[in-house]
Amino acid sequence: GENVEQHPSTLSVQEGDSAVIKCTYSDSASNYFPWYKQELGKRPQLIIDIRSNVGEKKDQRIAVTLNKTAKHFSLHITETQPEDSAVYFCAAEGGATNKLIFGTGTLLAVQP
Amino acid sequence: EAQVTQNPRYLITVTGKKLTVTCSQNMNHEYMSWYRQDPGLGLRQIYYSMNVEVTDKGDVPEGYKVSRKEKRNFPLILESPSPNQTSLYFCASSPSRTGKQFFGPGTRLTVL
Repeated sequence: GENVEQHPSTLSVQEGDSAVIKCTYSDSASNYFPWYKQELGKRPQLIIDIRSNVGEKKDQRIAVTLNKTAKHFSLHITETQPEDSAVYFCAAEGGATNKLIFGTGTLLAVQP
Repeated sequence: EAQVTQNPRYLITVTGKKLTVTCSQNMNHEYMSWYRQDPGLGLRQIYYSMNVEVTDKGDVPEGYKVSRKEKRNFPLILESPSPNQTSLYFCASSPSRTGKQFFGPGTRLTVL
């Protein structure tokens, strides 16, 4: 079935550094790739998404890139701040199905 | 205020005692989902609904039932809960299957 793999599972960076989280997906028909941020004890919230007709999207310090050929997409956070510390989930819309498949999450810790 | 609500927020029950977790949204969204979140496994979709009376299985539907009789409500039913259903459950809604998902606050369920 459809699968989304996410790496790394944990990531520690110094404040001001960049962070990159990578995901691969299995269904070549997938067309929608959102990223969610979940702070400790809170609900997931969408931070950025990308559709398959676009290769890159930016929103201030956050960017997402998509390589449809390789079935790979990545989240880039620049100039990290302590408030960026959270669990980040990538996801892929199921393509041939109506499911939304999530990765297993990345715990990002930004050290002040 | 646009929101997704879930009740109860916390529940401790015993094996085999039927329970229902309610989910309601006030944004007139068509797509609604239930997820369970377990450490190291990310968010796994249990069931989803494309619209009233249209529901389908996600990745982990065993032991769960849902219904969508009204657009705003999407209850999750555990007819005979077992300890392996102890988890954090999130309901979510979105305008479409490829739109921003709005998550409810979560329901922490413990089955003894």
